[in-house]
Amino acid sequence: KAGVTQTPRYLIKTRGQQVTLSCSPISGHRSVSWYQQTPGQGLQFLFEYFSETQRNKGNFPGRFSGRQFSNSRSEMNVSTLELGDSALYLCASSLGGTAISYEQYFGPGTRLTVT
Amino acid sequence: AQKVTQAQTEISVVEKEDVTLDCVYETRDTTYYLFWYKQPPSGELVFLIRRNSFDEQNEISGRYSWNFQKSTSSFNFTITASQVVDSAVYFCALSEDPLGSGGGADGLTFGKGTHLIIQP
Repeated sequence: KAGVTQTPRYLIKTRGQQVTLSCSPISGHRSVSWYQQTPGQGLQFLFEYFSETQRNKGNFPGRFSGRQFSNSRSEMNVSTLELGDSALYLCASSLGGTAISYEQYFGPGTRLTVT
Repeated sequence: AQKVTQAQTEISVVEKEDVTLDCVYETRDTTYYLFWYKQPPSGELVFLIRRNSFDEQNEISGRYSWNFQKSTSSFNFTITASQVVDSAVYFCALSEDPLGSGGGADGLTFGKGTHLIIQP
């Protein structure tokens, strides 16, 4: 069974640009969550999608958004990039229903560098 | 608000020693879930264990064991006879369940992680 895949793996963008990251969950998993990992703040929850609906959201500005498609694949978008957005963005999938109570399986992450 | 504290930022031991990683959590909920994840240098978080708040039984899986104590709000992780391959950053995480249905409202709250170095 294939794991969670994230594309691209590495990305370099300039301040002010926008970026879209993609995540394909494990087959059969309906919930996708996104996390930001930085050396200073550690791992922080961004949002969770289940059945194409954002179900939970962390404490991030509106520049961070996402969506989920009918095949459970998810994208997250960051607009008007800032230097502080440089981070490892991790996607996690789980069976769903009561997503957080199930173990979440993480992808390898997308390393975003903003210059 | 929920919070997870991993006071040990870095631990270094010699191979074959036993090592315990501490995790202390704070939550107002009576139903919650605790997790441990391993992050090797490759960066991918690897799920190790999930424990719900009603199950205080300790668990052993090979060289890994977990000690959950609600009285002290701790969920500690012990590696017995450590190996070099155990070197990684280990994260403890918490998920609350305010609705009582198993659905967390705020995703996983992670501790800052403990960097474990196993020296040969």
